[in-house]
Amino acid sequence: GAVVSQHPSWVICKSGTSVKIECRSLDFQATTMFWYRQFPKQSLMLMATSNEGSKATYEQGVEKDKFLINHASLTLSTLTVTSAHPEDSSFYICSAEQGATNEKLFFGSGTQLSVL
Amino acid sequence: TQLLEQSPQFLSIQEGENLTVYCNSSSVFSSLQWYRQEPGEGPVLLVTVVTGGEVKKLKRLTFQFGDARKDSSLHITAAQPGDTGLYLCAGGSQGGKLIFGQGTELSVKP
Repeated sequence: GAVVSQHPSWVICKSGTSVKIECRSLDFQATTMFWYRQFPKQSLMLMATSNEGSKATYEQGVEKDKFLINHASLTLSTLTVTSAHPEDSSFYICSAEQGATNEKLFFGSGTQLSVL
Repeated sequence: TQLLEQSPQFLSIQEGENLTVYCNSSSVFSSLQWYRQEPGEGPVLLVTVVTGGEVKKLKRLTFQFGDARKDSSLHITAAQPGDTGLYLCAGGSQGGKLIFGQGTELSVKP
């Protein structure tokens, strides 16, 4: 199956700093990527839809200025958590859509963010 | 707003037992997917069902899509400790979004 690489796998940062997470589709082009947040033993919450070459679409309640998304190429989307605070600590997961159907979504391995 | 109600949220059983996880909605979905996720990793797709009434089998796992495409179930026969994990159902929505259920945390004890 298709591979989506997410980096880093885990990151620890100080409060007030910014953290960038990368999501790459390794063997296919992804016009659309999705970013999720997940708390322990809970389901995935969609944060935003990342579209190549255009602005991301954010879900209700997600701060655009806090979670900056850039999708500059067909194989890379980045999520930057700006001025991180302890409440931003979470597991962040990306997925990439192969083709134009949500039946072929491939997930990255996730990034565990811990803000001290 | 489309919602998926997944139940049960927690399930602890002994090796060899059978179990069923349910995913229900009042909305119709174009497709429904089941994922399994282990701690610290991303979800891994198990199956996609797209046709109402469809039944798919994956070894000891049986997936069913309701006739009206509003509900689905995952049945595991003779569960093994290796089946332990978080099971997620997700419905296909407009714009490529996936609507996830709350997840079922399954623990199979030897």
